Amino acid sequence: GESVGLHLPTLSVQEGDNSIINCAYSNSASDYFIWYKQESGKGPQFIIDIRSNMDKRQGQRVTVLLNKTVKHLSLQIAATQPGDSAVYFCAERGAGNMLTFGGGTRLMVKP
Amino acid sequence: DTGVSQDPRHKITKRGQNVTFRCDPISEHNRLYWYRQTLGQGPEFLTYFQNEAQLEKSRLLSDRFSAERPKGSFSTLEIQRTEQGDSAMYLCASSLGALNTEAFFGQGTRLTVV
Repeated sequence: GESVGLHLPTLSVQEGDNSIINCAYSNSASDYFIWYKQESGKGPQFIIDIRSNMDKRQGQRVTVLLNKTVKHLSLQIAATQPGDSAVYFCAERGAGNMLTFGGGTRLMVKP
Repeated sequence: DTGVSQDPRHKITKRGQNVTFRCDPISEHNRLYWYRQTLGQGPEFLTYFQNEAQLEKSRLLSDRFSAERPKGSFSTLEIQRTEQGDSAMYLCASSLGALNTEAFFGQGTRLTVV
């Protein structure tokens, strides 16, 4: 994934609004994608996944969209809550079942 | 709590010392992964095991790093002759394998080399 160093892209939203977090992945052969949420001092927490033969998958309050043509993944969070504040990473699975993570986006929810 | 346990949570060591971290995966998971994460970046793959076999190692895993999973259950990651650049969060994850590929992460071990 692309490194963004100490300065993560930040998305600031009002509580109750919808959030959209975007991710560009690098490997056109990747067959599986995951979104993780990471709170400060904790390990990444699974949110939702999607296989490459799908273009959309919905969970509870979350939707993942996959556009393989432009190698783009997005995470939509409906009715964003303060507890959604965290860093969000997309990850792609290539050869060997290892996950390659993107650089992360910090979501800040304003009450 | 995902069920993946890592110990210790924090480790401060002097440069040149050896350190060892432990990971206990979810009990029925046959795959175990080690990742390293530095501040502001996503986790970077280090190595993974299927049962006791170490199947893949990243080029990030220098010869000072060694990982074991002797009985296919818990795993250890040892760093010899630590350097300041080794300071990072070391994350362990486990999964059931290719058909159930959701990987669950532990809380990590934060290493600070002074």
